[in-house]
Parts: sequence; structure tokens; C-alpha cells
Amino acid sequence: DTEVTQTPKHLVMGMTNKKSLKCEQHMGHRAMYWYKQKAKKPPELMFVYSYEKLSINESVPSRFSPECPNSSLLNLHLHALQPEDSALYLCASSPTGATNEKLFFGSGTQLSVL
Amino acid sequence: GQSLEQPSEVTAVEGAIVQINCTYQTSGFYGLSWYQQHDGGAPTFLSYNALDGLEETGRFSSFLSRSDSYGYLLLQELQMKDSASYFCAFRPQGGYQKVTFGTGTKLQVIP
Repeated sequence: DTEVTQTPKHLVMGMTNKKSLKCEQHMGHRAMYWYKQKAKKPPELMFVYSYEKLSINESVPSRFSPECPNSSLLNLHLHALQPEDSALYLCASSPTGATNEKLFFGSGTQLSVL
Repeated sequence: GQSLEQPSEVTAVEGAIVQINCTYQTSGFYGLSWYQQHDGGAPTFLSYNALDGLEETGRFSSFLSRSDSYGYLLLQELQMKDSASYFCAFRPQGGYQKVTFGTGTKLQVIP
């Protein structure tokens, strides 16, 4: 299984809602990532988990809260988002180690904040 | 700082060869990767150069010159399905999990 599965594929939420994005992989990868991608722009790193511990937070606003319950799952909890947070949210995984370059991406969640 | 610059758009004819360039600034990195992303899809890994020189993977080849802070992706025998966005990416030394993507190049293949 070489897939990263993200749910939901589409999400529309109001600014007062709380929602969660989910990501799952069964490749045994111990590094998992959240990226945000605006239209016609490159993916921007948000968070990295390594061995289920948060290792990188790219100064992301606290209305985004990541969670890694186990080595296969990654969640992104959303609360009180702003319209400018509308974007494609991509989850990725990779083996750990400096020589492992390949990221495996999920198909993303297209988020619209109204 | 760390940055990777690419041309925003490239147009090429089906069956031809196209080169997508990537120039970068960094104080050190492990290697240069390339990803393809179709509209509405996920980025998929294409190629990686740890060392200077050319790496070939089927119709795709990638090149890296650390002395020139430059790399490129070469696509041969272009097909319509190659129409997509292409991103170079690297991981800075000391932050090996911090994969940073280039500005991206939108490739349009025309008949």
C-alpha cells in the first residue's frame, strides 16, 4: 500500500465552526506533514511530525491544531478559521532520515471558509 | 534565506523536448527533487539529484549543478498528459524534514 488517504475531499465551513481533517498512511513512514496550497502557488509547509512528535511548526496560527494519535494517523483540527484560510490542505508522509527525499502526498482536502 | 525560483509558465509541442529550470539560494541542502502536480491532484515525486549531474528516469531526466545553484527537469517525447505544474524542492541541511518547494512551472503541451 503506497497511498496516503485524506478525508474529506471537500469541506465548507463557517468561521465559527470546528472541523477536522484526517490523514492515514500504512507505509510505515514515521514522518508526516501538513502543507497548505493556494491556487497557482507551491505547497507551503505547516507542520511536521516525526515519530509522533511535533518537530516543526512553521509559525502557523493557533486556529490550526495538529495531532498525531499514532504512527499511521495525522489530524488537523480547525477552529475559528478565516476566509483567507481557504486552500487545498495536503498531507504527506516520508521515511525518516536525511537521505530519504521522497514525499508521498494525499489527494488533499479542498477547504472553503465562508 | 532559502528559496527556489522557476519560470511561471512554459508551452511546448507534443512530441518535443522541454526543459524546466530551477535556480535556488541556500546555505546548504541535501539534494534537489522534482514533483508533478496535475490540476486538482496531489504532487507526485518524479526525480531526485543528490549529486551533480544527470539522473534519468524514463522520459524524465533531472540535472543538478551545485556550483551554479541551478537544476533542471527535462521532459522528452512530450505527451498531452504531461500538462501539469512542476515543482523543484529541497531540504536544507540541518532541517532535513523541512521540504521547501519552488515557485512552480505550469507546463502546457499543445498538439
